[in-house]
Amino acid sequence: DADVTQTPRNRITKTGKRIMLECSQTKGHDRMYWYRQDPGLGLRLIYYSFDVKDINKGEISDGYSVSRQAQAKFSLSLESAIPNQTALYFCATSAPDRGYGYTFGSGTRLTVV
Amino acid sequence: QQPVQSPQAVILREGEDAVINCSSSKALYSVHWYRQKHGEAPVFLMILLKGGEQKGHEKISASFNEKKQQSSLYLTASQLSYSGTYFCGSSETSGSRLTFGEGTQLTVNP
Repeated sequence: DADVTQTPRNRITKTGKRIMLECSQTKGHDRMYWYRQDPGLGLRLIYYSFDVKDINKGEISDGYSVSRQAQAKFSLSLESAIPNQTALYFCATSAPDRGYGYTFGSGTRLTVV
Repeated sequence: QQPVQSPQAVILREGEDAVINCSSSKALYSVHWYRQKHGEAPVFLMILLKGGEQKGHEKISASFNEKKQQSSLYLTASQLSYSGTYFCGSSETSGSRLTFGEGTQLTVNP
């Protein structure tokens, strides 16, 4: 099994719908992150969490919310999806043992029509 | 602020060398390097901490020039498997979240 698992892998949804992307990890890492990737723009940070009680906004948090249900689970919600939220979304974890190097999940490709 | 990577793209023949640069206008604590193959997740390559020590393996290594706030990734005697997009990610303090560059697309042809 993968260390960081994202579900779903692919999702098509309609404008205005609420959608949740889920991330779970078996690495025991405290730190978890949500990034979105758009062609030519690299990876941009949406939200991050350094432990269960800690949630922080990233550079592009508008239109998104998160929930850290447990150390192993970190979910990203789009309250009312819009077409410019079409992107590839990555969850990642990190820990001190590798200098806080990230382990990424396989990604969720989201299309908003 | 996002670090700036150069070049944006590079095409090599197998066996050639390449250098990818990552520059920041802010004082950095660390620079990370990742490689992403098409349709896959980015994979961690290495981390450079301020202090300028060069790290890596024989054919893929990196350095961090603290005075210039610039890191360079060196790919020596490139192989077909090196193809992908390379991202640098920077942090300003120990353990803080990363800000990524826009990526450098590397293509290695036979």
